[in-house]
Amino acid sequence: DAKTTQPPSMDCAEGRAANLPCNHSTISGNEYVYWYRQIHSQGPQYIIHGLKNNETNEMASLIITEDRKSSTLILPHATLRDTAVYYCIVRVAHSGGGADGLTFGKGTHLIIQP
Amino acid sequence: DSGVTQTPKHLITATGQRVTLRCSPRSGDLSVYWYQQSLDQGLQFLIQYYNGEERAKGNILERFSAQQFPDLHSELNLSSLELGDSALYFCASSVQGQGGEKLFFGSGTQLSVL
Repeated sequence: DAKTTQPPSMDCAEGRAANLPCNHSTISGNEYVYWYRQIHSQGPQYIIHGLKNNETNEMASLIITEDRKSSTLILPHATLRDTAVYYCIVRVAHSGGGADGLTFGKGTHLIIQP
Repeated sequence: DSGVTQTPKHLITATGQRVTLRCSPRSGDLSVYWYQQSLDQGLQFLIQYYNGEERAKGNILERFSAQQFPDLHSELNLSSLELGDSALYFCASSVQGQGGEKLFFGSGTQLSVL
């Protein structure tokens, strides 16, 4: 699976949009971009994933550049409860239960300021 | 609530002992993943099972073993425990949908080895 690069930490004011970048310049054509987050000592939580097109769900939006070498996770109206470590992961879509574990890097520690 | 149940939530034991951590996946999920998270390490993938069979191995020590039973619940066995095994242990189950695999994590078992 391709490696990703994320800033170690970011601040964002409550109520503003939080934009979290991720570089994945070695991504392959069949690899998806996944985002998870982990609120302190809780289990990681799936947020969103995409292949080529931009995606939106009730939690966030995912913007993937046309060359797919980078992406941005957008939390449109950040709240204090969004303070967490956010992980960007690139992985081949597997069938039949996959062939490897999902590898988490160090992620970005997003701190929402009141 | 992710639908993944882990028991016990907390476990305190002594060095040299053996413990068993239990995980019940979401209804219908065939894959179970185990992860370890210690204070100075990120989320480390240990092992994955799919429908009762071992599918992938990560950084799992020989003192650790796991299995997935016919009812799909899984157990992680840790033996000859050392102080360094103190960590949060997470279990996740996954659903394979169109365009990728989403992992859903339990709330973890906090293991303290004294």
